[in-house]
Amino acid sequence: DQQVKQNSPSLSVQEGRISILNCDYTNSMFDYFLWYKKYPAEGPTFLISISSIKDKNEDGRFTVFLNKSAKHLSLHIVPSQPGDSAVYFCAALNNAGNMLTFGGGTRLMVKP
Amino acid sequence: DSGVTQTPKHLITATGQRVTLRCSPRSGDLSVYWYQQSLDQGLQFLIQYYNGEERAKGNILERFSAQQFPDLHSELNLSSLELGDSALYFCASSVGGNPYTGELFFGEGSRLTVL
Repeated sequence: DQQVKQNSPSLSVQEGRISILNCDYTNSMFDYFLWYKKYPAEGPTFLISISSIKDKNEDGRFTVFLNKSAKHLSLHIVPSQPGDSAVYFCAALNNAGNMLTFGGGTRLMVKP
Repeated sequence: DSGVTQTPKHLITATGQRVTLRCSPRSGDLSVYWYQQSLDQGLQFLIQYYNGEERAKGNILERFSAQQFPDLHSELNLSSLELGDSALYFCASSVGGNPYTGELFFGEGSRLTVL
């Protein structure tokens, strides 16, 4: 049972445009949500997070939106750059704070 | 460089064999986490150790075991290997006993191929 789902395995975007990566979850006990970025031959690296008490968190070109009623979050990258091409993982932390569950990832390709 | 070191980077072995993957966490981090990423799959949580003690357990098979040593490095032991165990195994570390804010620092992974 996948509790965190990223339904789009891949996304292609033109440089300078907006990239929107989506993530859905089923467990209402998740308390904190994160996005990780992964380049080939490297481990995932933390990108941005959001607490369940917020609906938006912004860090430079990256903004994460959380819709708790829909159990949906999204990552917006504006403007997209070729260096953003990577696999993006959505992750959710339970309210006990001891288990981080990852989605399947979305491969983003930003074309010059 | 995350500061987390995993060895070996690549490993090829046969079914039925046993392998050990090693992880050195970032300096000062007390928690080590092991994740498995199979082909085109997400990261599946296996197990977490905090300061030498098992802290949380995920979908880890009985054929797999792990431990964290007094110097805080960790080993993941995979035995009676099957073809389906071929995957990328990631180690991650954090300072505290919980992912808490969820920010983990990942190593580059150990790619295991079982033939």
